[in-house]
Amino acid sequence: EDKVVQSPLSLVVHEGDTVTLNCSYEVTNFRSLLWYKQEKKAPTFLFMLTSSGIEKKSGRLSSILDKKELFSILNITATQTGDSAVYLCAVERYSGNTPLVFGKGTRLSVIA
Amino acid sequence: SAVISQKPSRDICQRGTSLTIQCQVDSQVTMMFWYRQQPGQSLTLIATANQGSEATYESGFVIDKFPISRPNLTFSTLTVSNMSPEDSSIYLCSAQRGISYNEQFFGPGTRLTVL
Repeated sequence: EDKVVQSPLSLVVHEGDTVTLNCSYEVTNFRSLLWYKQEKKAPTFLFMLTSSGIEKKSGRLSSILDKKELFSILNITATQTGDSAVYLCAVERYSGNTPLVFGKGTRLSVIA
Repeated sequence: SAVISQKPSRDICQRGTSLTIQCQVDSQVTMMFWYRQQPGQSLTLIATANQGSEATYESGFVIDKFPISRPNLTFSTLTVSNMSPEDSSIYLCSAQRGISYNEQFFGPGTRLTVL
């Protein structure tokens, strides 16, 4: 059965800390892995990863994919209270009955 | 969490036709949403499906193109009308129990290919 597992499910850190969010997957016909930040009605797109070992960066956020070990990490450095949100990982498949498989998300709380 | 199913899981359609996608949630939810994810792009919110009234559409999406129904608290449909190849996408339904947008649950998606 296709699945995406995120860990931890929730995390509380202090401002300035660095956090690493994990996403592992067991999905056939892998096409891409996507990270989203959800704090409003619609998730905000962060990264799309298709190739192993290539780090994507956007400001204090970065992410990398390992297609051999079937996981991805999302790093946030120098966290701020505005980073508090649920971070979603999803895997897109080329074919199959479930085009997109979402993880349950990691709830990050950054306290001042 | 809620279990969400969508039908069909995929379809290949001809230009100019319409397709209705069904979304069923296993329990009552307050909010239901429809999203689109085009190949290589991000998740885009199409509309909020309101129970018993007209859906609330996001900028760039209109009712004539994407009619939505939500007859009760567990079911919604999205129709993609007068399709063109640009409508080829994954269409996702999501559900939310409470008032927090942080607790949405996503369906498995419907992969639509328009020839």
